[in-house]
Amino acid sequence: NAGVTQTPKFRVLKTGQSMTLLCAQDMNHEYMYWYRQDPGMGLRLIHYSVGEGTTAKGEVPDGYNVSRLKKQNFLLGLESAAPSQTSVYFCASSYAGLPTYEQYFGPGTRLTVT
Amino acid sequence: EDQVTQSPEALRLQEGESSSLNCSYTVSGLRGLFWYRQDPGKGPEFLFTLYSAGEEKEKERLKATLTKKESFLHITAPKPEDSATYLCAVQASIWGMNTGFQKLVFGTGTRLLVSP
Repeated sequence: NAGVTQTPKFRVLKTGQSMTLLCAQDMNHEYMYWYRQDPGMGLRLIHYSVGEGTTAKGEVPDGYNVSRLKKQNFLLGLESAAPSQTSVYFCASSYAGLPTYEQYFGPGTRLTVT
Repeated sequence: EDQVTQSPEALRLQEGESSSLNCSYTVSGLRGLFWYRQDPGKGPEFLFTLYSAGEEKEKERLKATLTKKESFLHITAPKPEDSATYLCAVQASIWGMNTGFQKLVFGTGTRLLVSP
């Protein structure tokens, strides 16, 4: 049981390049989330999904897109990377919604945009 | 606006020296307050959920308490392996496609270092 995994672990992009971050969970969780963590700021929700085929915007969705084609996977895309998107990205999943079901986090992806 | 403030930003303790971390919050209608532990280079790991004022939960050397305005994470006789960043979060609503979806609002954390 691997829990929540994320690929890649590290990535450096140039401004304007695109990339996709992959999140996978093997716990049969319905809900999945993408967060970003920046120094001096708490984790902030980018997008979330309450089930296969559904996605919705979080607090800071601009510049990102997501897809949840399979229940176990949640993809985060950057179409045209900007230096402001330099951050550590965390994926999380939960069986269902708060507060009853806690969120399980992946190990993170450290992204640098130059 | 829903907000979480944690103090101190950093705390250095000697092994065995008990202390407390503070999490103060403002949220309209608290439904849950969460504590997470985050080790360097890793994702947050769930510790506790507290639902109402007066509630307490314990896990090994950690004890979390909740009042109407703040939560404390008490660390009793800490060991070096307790060194980590401790994050506090409250549950808040986000409105959109899924009416009243419950999200977490995180504080910036307290970095705890326990020296042997």
